[in-house]
Amino acid sequence: AQSVTQLGSHVSVSEGALVLLRCNYSSSVPPYLFWYVQYPNQGLQLLLKYTSAATLVKGINGFEAEFKKSETSFHLTKPSAHMSDAAEYFCAVSDLTGFGNEKLTFGTGTRLTIIP
Amino acid sequence: DGGITQSPKYLFRKEGQNVTLSCEQNLNHDAMYWYRQDPGQGLRLIYYSQIVNDFQKGDIAEGYSVSREKKESFPLTVTSAQKNPTAFYLCASSSNLEDEQYFGPGTRLTVT
Repeated sequence: AQSVTQLGSHVSVSEGALVLLRCNYSSSVPPYLFWYVQYPNQGLQLLLKYTSAATLVKGINGFEAEFKKSETSFHLTKPSAHMSDAAEYFCAVSDLTGFGNEKLTFGTGTRLTIIP
Repeated sequence: DGGITQSPKYLFRKEGQNVTLSCEQNLNHDAMYWYRQDPGQGLRLIYYSQIVNDFQKGDIAEGYSVSREKKESFPLTVTSAQKNPTAFYLCASSSNLEDEQYFGPGTRLTVT
């Protein structure tokens, strides 16, 4: 079965600095990969997704992520952090091996804090 | 406007009472899901349904029950057997299991 690991449950960056949130997956075949954002007391919102097209995926709010098969990674980046980026971010993976594990598996989340 | 609605936003119940959380979608999605979220924790899958009249247990189904009588509706009942029901509950839907899930705004349940 697939799994997804988010390194760092809390990340703090200064306003205007680079945002890097890490996500690694384990799967025997390249999976579908997703990043979601959650603001306090709200549901999750899709930021971007990788479904085997371009390896560099651009999403909403200036975020992007790069699928690296050799590193089994799908890290989320944003060149310049904004105060409104403060939220919880979840990486998710869908296993495409065809053994009934297609539904999304979510990472444990990374809380992003922006320092003024 | 397509989306997922959950009601109510906040729900308060006394211990020992069953309570049903509503989830409705108008996205014409086949699959629907219920997750539980506790402070500082990620999402834990309670139940999911791939199609009408069919559903499967997730990782923490004990003390919960669901039904899927209509494509657009997937209510969750938190029974008195659930030992720690106070949590934030999220409903989601997707076209297929491997596709992105769309989430509702959540229901915060407090049991005292």
